[in-house]
Amino acid sequence: AQKVTQAQTEISVVEKEDVTLDCVYETRDTTYYLFWYKQPPSGELVFLIRRNSFDEQNEISGRYSWNFQKSTSSFNFTITASQVVDSAVYFCALRQETSGSRLTFGEGTQLTVNP
Amino acid sequence: GAGVSQTPSNKVTEKGKYVELRCDPISGHTALYWYRQSLGQGPEFLIYFQGTGAADDSGLPNDRFFAVRPEGSVSTLKIQRTERGDSAVYLCASSRHRGGETNEQFFGPGTRLTVL
Repeated sequence: AQKVTQAQTEISVVEKEDVTLDCVYETRDTTYYLFWYKQPPSGELVFLIRRNSFDEQNEISGRYSWNFQKSTSSFNFTITASQVVDSAVYFCALRQETSGSRLTFGEGTQLTVNP
Repeated sequence: GAGVSQTPSNKVTEKGKYVELRCDPISGHTALYWYRQSLGQGPEFLIYFQGTGAADDSGLPNDRFFAVRPEGSVSTLKIQRTERGDSAVYLCASSRHRGGETNEQFFGPGTRLTVL
């Protein structure tokens, strides 16, 4: 069975604070892909990053960084120096090689960045 | 536009009615997906097309739901005898390849379906 857990339902921070969104996944596949999507109030899901199971290198893109640890089945997302425009719901998702192309999403984390 | 488009953006219908939701994928994307997102939840997979054929329809909740993609581009999700529990945002996504690493799915804005 595949499963994605985002234990933090809501997070509220003040602008310029750093914030980490947690994602824990379950899969029996050795080949799989992990994703993060952002869903702003407009509702459209925006792709942020994809990681495959063979690449545990952490990645940084501007103020965003991702920490992939297979040992703990986690793929956490950190926003540095948060801004009001970062306010959105963030979803972590998993694609297993044996499940075709479907994405299994977590429940999402509502991030609110206050000025 | 260059992105995935969905029409209508909002649909209100009465219980028992039939509805059709349309998705226009990004040009050149061969794979198309439908998901359903209930309030406060993550999207849930419904069906996936590769070209004209449904490669995986295991997420369709029951036989009231059906989707087509006759020419391998635009897709229509059809719901018969709608029920109040069908109320949700229906999201469409497309991607360039069937599988492999280049499988970023790009999502449309969704159709908000309300069944009264």
